[in-house]
Amino acid sequence: EAQVTQNPRYLITVTGKKLTVTCSQNMNHEYMSWYRQDPGLGLRQIYYSMNVEVTDKGDVPEGYKVSRKEKRNFPLILESPSPNQTSLYFCASWTTDRPSYEQYFGPGTRLTVT
Amino acid sequence: GDSVTQMEGPVTLSEEAFLTINCTYTATGYPSLFWYVQYPGEGLQLLLKATKADDKGSNKGFEATYRKETTSFHLEKGSVQVSDSAVYFCALRDSNYQLIWGAGTKLIIKP
Repeated sequence: EAQVTQNPRYLITVTGKKLTVTCSQNMNHEYMSWYRQDPGLGLRQIYYSMNVEVTDKGDVPEGYKVSRKEKRNFPLILESPSPNQTSLYFCASWTTDRPSYEQYFGPGTRLTVT
Repeated sequence: GDSVTQMEGPVTLSEEAFLTINCTYTATGYPSLFWYVQYPGEGLQLLLKATKADDKGSNKGFEATYRKETTSFHLEKGSVQVSDSAVYFCALRDSNYQLIWGAGTKLIIKP
């Protein structure tokens, strides 16, 4: 089954404690992206990757890091989380090979930073 | 830059009512347009899309027509059900293969 998986689904942590949210896709998509969703603000892109070892900033990259060492994985790293990073995070992947360019989303990770 | 504007929610309707959620866009050229839906506790999934002017996307009873002259892509459904309660996002794909998102519209259907 084609899917994007994220772990963990829920995470409560404290300010300053480094964390990683994993994202994996099994569709061999070259593009991957991280979004955060906040009430009234819709989806905002954090970082995206066009392929292995190629990443770029989205609209709200401050406080986040990413890496793309393998095509299927795109982890999101918060080196020193702060309460303003409390949010719902989504990973997505897509390919430009197909005309629809549909983005496939993971189920989301709800992060609370206290 | 490119942008998407959609009507604010929540939109509350009774079952079997007619639904319209407005979406307008600003973009250079003629981008592909999408509606995504997010059911409670889930990620986003593609509802329908249109890739050129006058195209009509449709799925699950929902429709949207790509109107170049009004730069709009309004979502409609003739008779909504309680199971349609969700958040709906309008989006366009820019020239860098990225999606530009509207803020989302929460739809609540009451039995």
